Amino acid sequence: DVQLVQSGAEVKKSGESLKISCRGSGYSFTSSWIGWVRLVPGKGLEWMGNIYPDDSDTTYSPSFQGQVTMSADKSISTAYLQWSSLKASDTAIYFCARRGLVGATTSAFDIWGQGTMVTVSS
Amino acid sequence: QSVLTQPPSVSGAPGQRVTISCTGTSSNIGSNFDVHWYQHLPGRAPKLLIYGNNNRPSGVPDRFSGSKSGTSASLAITGLQAEDEADYYCHSFDNDLRGMLFGGGTTLTVL
Repeated sequence: DVQLVQSGAEVKKSGESLKISCRGSGYSFTSSWIGWVRLVPGKGLEWMGNIYPDDSDTTYSPSFQGQVTMSADKSISTAYLQWSSLKASDTAIYFCARRGLVGATTSAFDIWGQGTMVTVSS
Repeated sequence: QSVLTQPPSVSGAPGQRVTISCTGTSSNIGSNFDVHWYQHLPGRAPKLLIYGNNNRPSGVPDRFSGSKSGTSASLAITGLQAEDEADYYCHSFDNDLRGMLFGGGTTLTVL
Protein backbone atom coordinates (compact mmCIF):
# COMPACT_ATOMS: atom_id res chain seq x y z
CA ASP A 1 0.00 0.00 0.00
CA VAL A 2 1.07 3.54 -0.71
CA GLN A 3 1.22 5.38 2.57
CA LEU A 4 2.78 8.15 4.59
CA VAL A 5 3.35 7.46 8.26
CA GLN A 6 4.04 10.37 10.59
CA SER A 7 5.71 10.50 13.95
CA GLY A 8 3.68 10.63 17.13
CA ALA A 9 2.14 13.45 19.11
CA GLU A 10 4.45 15.94 20.80
CA VAL A 11 4.03 18.14 23.87
CA LYS A 12 6.59 20.92 24.17
CA LYS A 13 7.21 24.21 25.91
CA SER A 14 7.62 27.59 24.21
CA GLY A 15 11.16 28.12 23.05
CA GLU A 16 11.95 24.43 22.61
CA SER A 17 12.94 22.89 19.29
CA LEU A 18 11.11 20.10 17.51
CA LYS A 19 11.47 17.91 14.43
CA ILE A 20 8.59 15.73 13.21
CA SER A 21 8.82 13.13 10.48
CA CYS A 22 6.88 11.62 7.60
CA ARG A 23 7.99 8.29 6.12
CA GLY A 24 6.76 7.17 2.74
CA SER A 25 6.36 3.61 1.54
CA GLY A 26 4.85 1.72 -1.36
CA TYR A 27 6.01 4.18 -4.04
CA SER A 28 9.13 5.92 -5.29
CA PHE A 29 9.61 8.50 -2.54
CA THR A 30 12.04 10.57 -4.59
CA SER A 31 9.64 11.02 -7.50
CA SER A 32 6.90 13.10 -5.85
CA TRP A 33 6.79 16.36 -3.95
CA ILE A 34 5.78 16.17 -0.30
CA GLY A 35 3.73 19.01 1.16
CA TRP A 36 3.17 20.04 4.76
CA VAL A 37 -0.24 21.30 5.84
CA ARG A 38 -1.26 22.80 9.17
CA LEU A 39 -4.67 22.43 10.80
CA VAL A 40 -5.32 24.64 13.80
CA PRO A 41 -8.29 23.38 15.86
CA GLY A 42 -11.35 25.37 14.85
CA LYS A 43 -9.64 26.77 11.77
CA GLY A 44 -8.97 25.44 8.29
CA LEU A 45 -6.15 23.81 6.40
CA GLU A 46 -3.08 25.96 5.65
CA TRP A 47 -0.41 25.05 3.14
CA MET A 48 3.04 25.45 4.69
CA GLY A 49 5.33 24.39 1.88
CA ASN A 50 6.56 21.58 -0.34
CA ILE A 51 9.79 19.63 -0.60
CA TYR A 52 11.11 17.42 -3.40
CA PRO A 53 12.89 14.55 -1.63
CA ASP A 54 15.22 13.74 -4.50
CA ASP A 55 17.15 17.01 -4.30
CA SER A 56 15.53 18.67 -1.24
CA ASP A 57 14.29 21.58 -3.35
CA THR A 58 11.81 23.49 -1.21
CA THR A 59 8.99 26.00 -1.65
CA TYR A 60 7.61 27.77 1.41
CA SER A 61 4.39 29.63 1.91
CA PRO A 62 5.18 33.28 2.70
CA SER A 63 3.30 32.77 5.98
CA PHE A 64 5.73 30.07 7.11
CA GLN A 65 8.98 31.17 5.48
CA GLY A 66 11.55 31.57 8.23
CA GLN A 67 9.26 29.99 10.82
CA VAL A 68 9.88 26.32 9.96
CA THR A 69 12.42 24.27 8.04
CA MET A 70 11.58 21.37 5.74
CA SER A 71 14.16 18.70 4.96
CA ALA A 72 14.30 15.15 3.64
CA ASP A 73 16.49 12.07 3.84
CA LYS A 74 15.85 10.11 0.68
CA SER A 75 17.92 7.17 1.89
CA ILE A 76 15.20 6.39 4.42
CA SER A 77 12.24 7.85 2.47
CA THR A 78 11.53 10.40 5.18
CA ALA A 79 10.61 14.06 5.14
CA TYR A 80 10.93 16.33 8.15
CA LEU A 81 9.41 19.53 9.48
CA GLN A 82 11.26 21.35 12.20
CA TRP A 83 11.08 24.35 14.47
CA SER A 84 14.03 25.95 16.24
CA SER A 85 11.94 27.82 18.79
CA LEU A 86 8.32 26.83 19.24
CA LYS A 87 5.55 29.27 20.13
CA ALA A 88 2.16 28.55 21.68
CA SER A 89 0.61 29.57 18.36
CA ASP A 90 2.33 26.56 16.72
CA THR A 91 -0.16 24.29 18.52
CA ALA A 92 -1.85 22.42 15.69
CA ILE A 93 -2.11 19.18 13.77
CA TYR A 94 0.51 18.88 11.03
CA PHE A 95 -0.10 16.70 7.99
CA CYS A 96 2.32 15.62 5.32
CA ALA A 97 0.86 14.77 1.94
CA ARG A 98 2.10 13.54 -1.42
CA ARG A 99 1.55 15.66 -4.51
CA GLY A 100 0.40 12.88 -6.77
CA LEU A 101 -2.56 13.03 -9.09
CA VAL A 102 -1.98 15.67 -11.72
CA GLY A 103 -4.52 17.96 -13.27
CA ALA A 104 -3.77 20.08 -16.31
CA THR A 105 -1.73 22.64 -14.39
CA THR A 106 -1.13 21.52 -10.81
CA SER A 107 -1.07 18.33 -8.79
CA ALA A 108 -3.28 17.43 -5.87
CA PHE A 109 -2.38 15.93 -2.52
CA ASP A 110 -3.51 12.35 -3.10
CA ILE A 111 -1.95 10.52 -0.15
CA TRP A 112 -1.94 12.00 3.35
CA GLY A 113 -0.18 11.06 6.56
CA GLN A 114 -2.27 10.48 9.64
CA GLY A 115 -1.22 13.80 11.17
CA THR A 116 1.01 14.77 14.09
CA MET A 117 -0.52 16.75 16.95
CA VAL A 118 1.88 19.32 18.34
CA THR A 119 0.96 21.01 21.61
CA VAL A 120 3.06 23.93 22.81
CA SER A 121 2.53 25.36 26.27
CA SER A 122 3.60 28.88 27.13
CA GLN B 1 -9.23 35.10 5.68
CA SER B 2 -8.37 32.85 2.75
CA VAL B 3 -7.98 34.16 -0.80
CA LEU B 4 -10.25 31.27 -1.82
CA THR B 5 -13.67 31.97 -0.33
CA GLN B 6 -16.01 29.16 0.68
CA PRO B 7 -19.31 29.37 2.56
CA PRO B 8 -18.71 28.47 6.22
CA SER B 9 -21.53 25.95 6.21
CA VAL B 10 -24.07 24.19 4.02
CA SER B 11 -26.72 21.64 4.87
CA GLY B 12 -29.09 19.22 3.21
CA ALA B 13 -31.38 16.31 3.93
CA PRO B 14 -30.43 12.75 3.09
CA GLY B 15 -30.87 12.09 -0.62
CA GLN B 16 -30.69 15.75 -1.58
CA ARG B 17 -28.07 17.56 -3.66
CA VAL B 18 -25.80 20.25 -2.24
CA THR B 19 -23.12 22.41 -3.81
CA ILE B 20 -20.14 24.08 -2.21
CA SER B 21 -18.63 27.07 -3.94
CA CYS B 22 -15.02 28.21 -4.00
CA THR B 23 -14.57 31.77 -5.20
CA GLY B 24 -11.12 32.92 -6.19
CA THR B 25 -9.52 35.72 -8.16
CA SER B 26 -7.67 36.36 -11.39
CA SER B 27 -4.40 35.34 -9.70
CA ASN B 28 -5.52 31.81 -8.86
CA ILE B 29 -8.59 30.05 -10.26
CA GLY B 30 -8.97 32.77 -12.90
CA SER B 31 -5.41 32.11 -14.09
CA ASN B 32 -6.53 28.63 -15.10
CA PHE B 33 -4.93 26.84 -12.19
CA ASP B 34 -6.59 23.55 -11.29
CA VAL B 35 -8.91 23.29 -8.32
CA HIS B 36 -8.83 20.21 -6.11
CA TRP B 37 -11.30 19.25 -3.38
CA TYR B 38 -10.80 17.39 -0.10
CA GLN B 39 -13.09 15.91 2.53
CA HIS B 40 -11.95 16.05 6.14
CA LEU B 41 -13.52 14.16 8.99
CA PRO B 42 -12.34 15.17 12.50
CA GLY B 43 -9.56 12.93 13.71
CA ARG B 44 -8.84 11.62 10.24
CA ALA B 45 -6.51 12.58 7.42
CA PRO B 46 -8.06 14.70 4.66
CA LYS B 47 -9.17 12.70 1.63
CA LEU B 48 -8.85 13.80 -1.99
CA LEU B 49 -12.29 13.88 -3.66
CA ILE B 50 -11.71 15.78 -6.90
CA TYR B 51 -8.50 16.67 -8.70
CA GLY B 52 -7.93 18.81 -11.76
CA ASN B 53 -11.33 20.53 -11.40
CA ASN B 54 -13.52 17.56 -12.29
CA ASN B 55 -11.65 14.26 -11.97
CA ARG B 56 -12.39 11.65 -9.33
CA PRO B 57 -9.62 9.47 -7.92
CA SER B 58 -10.25 5.77 -7.96
CA GLY B 59 -12.69 4.78 -5.23
CA VAL B 60 -14.49 8.11 -4.89
CA PRO B 61 -18.21 7.65 -5.59
CA ASP B 62 -19.68 9.41 -8.61
CA ARG B 63 -22.03 11.23 -6.24
CA PHE B 64 -19.16 13.71 -5.96
CA SER B 65 -18.43 15.98 -8.92
CA GLY B 66 -16.50 19.17 -9.56
CA SER B 67 -16.73 22.04 -11.97
CA LYS B 68 -14.93 25.30 -12.67
CA SER B 69 -15.86 28.47 -14.48
CA GLY B 70 -14.04 31.77 -14.56
CA THR B 71 -12.76 32.60 -11.09
CA SER B 72 -14.94 30.07 -9.26
CA ALA B 73 -15.25 26.35 -8.76
CA SER B 74 -17.91 24.14 -7.21
CA LEU B 75 -18.20 20.76 -5.59
CA ALA B 76 -21.55 19.01 -5.95
CA ILE B 77 -22.70 16.11 -3.82
CA THR B 78 -25.81 14.22 -4.87
CA GLY B 79 -27.75 11.61 -2.93
CA LEU B 80 -26.55 13.01 0.40
CA GLN B 81 -25.69 10.44 3.03
CA ALA B 82 -25.06 10.81 6.74
CA GLU B 83 -21.44 9.78 6.18
CA ASP B 84 -20.92 12.86 3.99
CA GLU B 85 -21.08 15.08 7.06
CA ALA B 86 -17.58 16.58 7.13
CA ASP B 87 -15.49 19.65 6.31
CA TYR B 88 -14.74 20.28 2.64
CA TYR B 89 -11.83 22.31 1.28
CA CYS B 90 -10.90 23.61 -2.15
CA HIS B 91 -7.22 23.90 -3.09
CA SER B 92 -5.43 25.73 -5.87
CA PHE B 93 -2.34 27.73 -6.74
CA ASP B 94 -1.90 31.49 -6.61
CA ASN B 95 0.42 33.51 -8.83
CA ASP B 96 0.66 36.48 -6.47
CA LEU B 97 1.40 34.31 -3.44
CA ARG B 98 3.62 32.09 -5.59
CA GLY B 99 2.32 29.06 -3.81
CA MET B 100 -0.58 26.81 -2.98
CA LEU B 101 -3.56 27.80 -0.92
CA PHE B 102 -6.67 26.24 0.56
CA GLY B 103 -10.12 27.68 0.86
CA GLY B 104 -11.39 28.47 4.33
CA GLY B 105 -13.39 25.24 4.44
CA THR B 106 -17.11 24.44 4.48
CA THR B 107 -18.85 22.33 7.08
CA LEU B 108 -21.54 20.11 5.59
CA THR B 109 -24.35 19.10 7.90
CA VAL B 110 -26.70 16.29 6.86
CA LEU B 111 -30.05 17.09 8.48
